[in-house]
Amino acid sequence: ELKVEQNPLFLSMQEEKNYTIYCNYSTTSDRLYWYRQDPGKSLESLFVLLSNGAVKQEGRLMASLDTKARLSTLHITAAVHDLSATYFCAVASTSGTYKYIFGTGTRLKVLA
Amino acid sequence: NAGVTQTPKFQVLKTGQSMTLQCAQDMNHNSMYWYRQDPGMGLRLIYYSASEGTTDKGEVPNGYNVSRLNKREFSLRLESAAPSQTSVYFCAAPGSTDTQYFGPGTRLTVL
Repeated sequence: ELKVEQNPLFLSMQEEKNYTIYCNYSTTSDRLYWYRQDPGKSLESLFVLLSNGAVKQEGRLMASLDTKARLSTLHITAAVHDLSATYFCAVASTSGTYKYIFGTGTRLKVLA
Repeated sequence: NAGVTQTPKFQVLKTGQSMTLQCAQDMNHNSMYWYRQDPGMGLRLIYYSASEGTTDKGEVPNGYNVSRLNKREFSLRLESAAPSQTSVYFCAAPGSTDTQYFGPGTRLTVL
């Protein structure tokens, strides 16, 4: 059974600081996704990582994937208040039909 | 939320009432998904449909039924609502970039 764990669950950080969110998953997969959710809103796609060693960057966010370690990271550089949101990783199960299993999310609060 | 629409946006039910949540996608993809989101639980898959005419159970299917009416539409039905089904429900479908696109969500309260 595919399980996805994120840590930390909550993250309060100062502006201009750097931090990393970790996403571990339990079985083989080479398809990993990051999403952002603002309070009361739907989920918005941030990154799609489809191979070992994949790295994607958008602004102050950078995501990477290590399929051998079954680990993805979302690195935040010089955080700003606008990055405050909940971030989810999700892994696609490749056994049969695609199913996407989500982590529990990391609630990020950037303090001014 | 481009490409995925859901109705209604809000609903309050009494225990035992029934309702159907509607979802439609215009991305012409075969797969569609229903999730529920509860505080501290992330998103949990209720049912999914790999193609028109097929449906499969996800992690938390009990108390729900689904219908894949055609390629565009995938509905979720609560036959006899229970307070434990109070949640936010999201429909999703993959897009051209492989990631999932989510509808705006339905906030359901069961009293």
